[in-house]
Amino acid sequence: QQQVKQSPQSLIVQKGGIPIINCAYENTAFDYFPWYQQFPGKGPALLIAIRPDVSEKKEGRFTISFNKSAKQFSLHIMDSQPGDSATYFCAANQGAQKLVFGQGTRLTINP
Amino acid sequence: NAGVMQNPRHLVRRRGQEARLRCSPMKGHSHVYWYRQLPEEGLKFMVYLQKENIIDESGMPKERFSAEFPKEGPSILRIQQVVRGDSAAYFCASSPPPGTTQYFGPGTRLLVL
Repeated sequence: QQQVKQSPQSLIVQKGGIPIINCAYENTAFDYFPWYQQFPGKGPALLIAIRPDVSEKKEGRFTISFNKSAKQFSLHIMDSQPGDSATYFCAANQGAQKLVFGQGTRLTINP
Repeated sequence: NAGVMQNPRHLVRRRGQEARLRCSPMKGHSHVYWYRQLPEEGLKFMVYLQKENIIDESGMPKERFSAEFPKEGPSILRIQQVVRGDSAAYFCASSPPPGTTQYFGPGTRLLVL
């Protein structure tokens, strides 16, 4: 019930392409869904987050799509750049409680 | 406004020693969370604290691990009698009241020899 499942595990995209990372959750009490970006040797950095009362949120080149009925959400990166190469984690929580993380997606953007 | 600070950044211990990891939350943040990340894996929750209180320790191993967030000073994650399986990156996150958005520190990478 507390799991967040993330796919794919790894993804390789050409520069300018649109990588898409998907996550699915089970706990309908979750009300906050952030995405984090992590570079090797660094801490996770908050990228963008969404609440279930909206179906889409866009910040710069990053977009979250949210499907409440399917209990799924996804991250799209527009005009991807080699500097976007990193590991991306989706997560979910309820209120001030612990974040439950997906397993991570290692994204590589080839020049 | 400085971010979440953690020290040390790297820590090497021999089996049986104690490890103390420190976390200073962002200014104005009263919620602190500790997570552990094993190599090539996601982050797993360990403990959630507010000043002088442990709110949720459901992710903490029952033995050898403890955490505190005193009225003054940083939050401390303490691992007694470390074993090789404790080798991991330990991340602290903080959030302002009423919680929800968590900001992570750079982590402490613990290596147990």
